[in-house]
Amino acid sequence: GNSVTQMEGPVTLSEEAFLTINCTYTATGYPSLFWYVQYPGEGLQLLLKATKADDKGSNKGFEATYRKETTSFHLEKGSVQVSDSAVYFCALSEGGKLIFGQGTELSVKP
Amino acid sequence: DTAVSQTPKYLVTQMGNDKSIKCEQNLGHDTMYWYKQDSKKFLKIMFSYNNKELIINETVPNRFSPKSPDKAHLNLHINSLELGDSAVYFCASSQDDRTGGFTFGSGTRLTVV
Repeated sequence: GNSVTQMEGPVTLSEEAFLTINCTYTATGYPSLFWYVQYPGEGLQLLLKATKADDKGSNKGFEATYRKETTSFHLEKGSVQVSDSAVYFCALSEGGKLIFGQGTELSVKP
Repeated sequence: DTAVSQTPKYLVTQMGNDKSIKCEQNLGHDTMYWYKQDSKKFLKIMFSYNNKELIINETVPNRFSPKSPDKAHLNLHINSLELGDSAVYFCASSQDDRTGGFTFGSGTRLTVV
């Protein structure tokens, strides 16, 4: 079946550093792809999405591009802030549900 | 106004008890879900309902029984609770899983002692 694999965490960065969180997927068709963010003690929030190949999703300085050729949807941000500390989940849609990667914890130090 | 609200936020109970978690959404979405997040943060779908009809029922023990009285509500009842049921349970709703994304509740942390 379809699956999502993310880079292992935790990832620790200094404020203003560049962020990349890798995400690759396995899918039989062309699913929509999503990044969700979970702040401590909260539910998941949709961060950005892309519904077809070569689409770029972006929000709050984060962006990710749907790459069909490499089956990837890597999350990037040019300059992270302490407030970006959270767990980030890559996900794909399949048959009316979301399949999530294992999550990557990001910790940003001042 | 909270879009997807779950109650209770925390639930501590003894093994063998029966408990329920309630979920309500005010977004007008047709589909609601229950997800389980384990201690390693891994999220797995349990059930989904579309307009009160069960659509997805993953391999979940039959001690777990969802109920949807109307399309705005989806409750989860758990019988004979076990230690391994300890987790965070998230309710979510969606109008279109392909384009719209899901809206999640803030979770119910269940601890079985």
